[in-house]
Amino acid sequence: EVQLVQSGAEVKKPGESLKISCKGSGYSFSIYWIAWVRQMPGKGLEWMGIIYPGDSDTRYNPSFQGQVTISADKFISTAYLQWSSLKASDTAMYFCARSTDFSGKSNYWGQGTLVTVSS
Amino acid sequence: QSVLTQPPSVSAAPGQKVTISCSGSDSNIGKNHVSWYQQLPGTAPKLLIYENDKRPSGIPDRFSGSKSGTSATLGITGLQTGDEADYYCGTWDSSLTAVLFGGGTKLTVL
Repeated sequence: EVQLVQSGAEVKKPGESLKISCKGSGYSFSIYWIAWVRQMPGKGLEWMGIIYPGDSDTRYNPSFQGQVTISADKFISTAYLQWSSLKASDTAMYFCARSTDFSGKSNYWGQGTLVTVSS
Repeated sequence: QSVLTQPPSVSAAPGQKVTISCSGSDSNIGKNHVSWYQQLPGTAPKLLIYENDKRPSGIPDRFSGSKSGTSATLGITGLQTGDEADYYCGTWDSSLTAVLFGGGTKLTVL
């Protein structure tokens, strides 16, 4: 069974750093893209970027370029999303999702990680 | 404001049919496949339709998708109370080089 299991909820202060994770199982992790999607409270879905764990080829939504870093470790089947300096506006639910391409089609999703940034 | 435009809400009675539109442009829907997602409250999105009109296994044929030009449509027949959710269209935008999602449509089954 294909599963994407994300790390738990985080509460952080502005200016702190954070790295959240998404562990895949039940399939060959290296050969499927992993996308990250943001959902701010009460708002819609925003595609942040995507990584191919096999060679770490990474593409960012220009709106998120420079704001976050997407990485992956194929040896432990885990993708990451990290911030070096969080802002209150980073408060959101973050989902990872498995994709076969850049079409926006993702049929497996993680359960989501809630990130709360508050002083 | 999303580049892909969806109505904020739609409603219909149980057993009826509803359609949700998604309007884009030449650089996104006009050139690329459209996917549709259902998001129940407090859960991750679920893929309903991919490549404009294909259903993943396990998705009932009450759900259908179509695309014409720069617009796409999700249809749901035989509405059930369990269909109450937010629905999102999504596609690649060749100019922005990013996946775009519509703003979402809240379906109410009266």
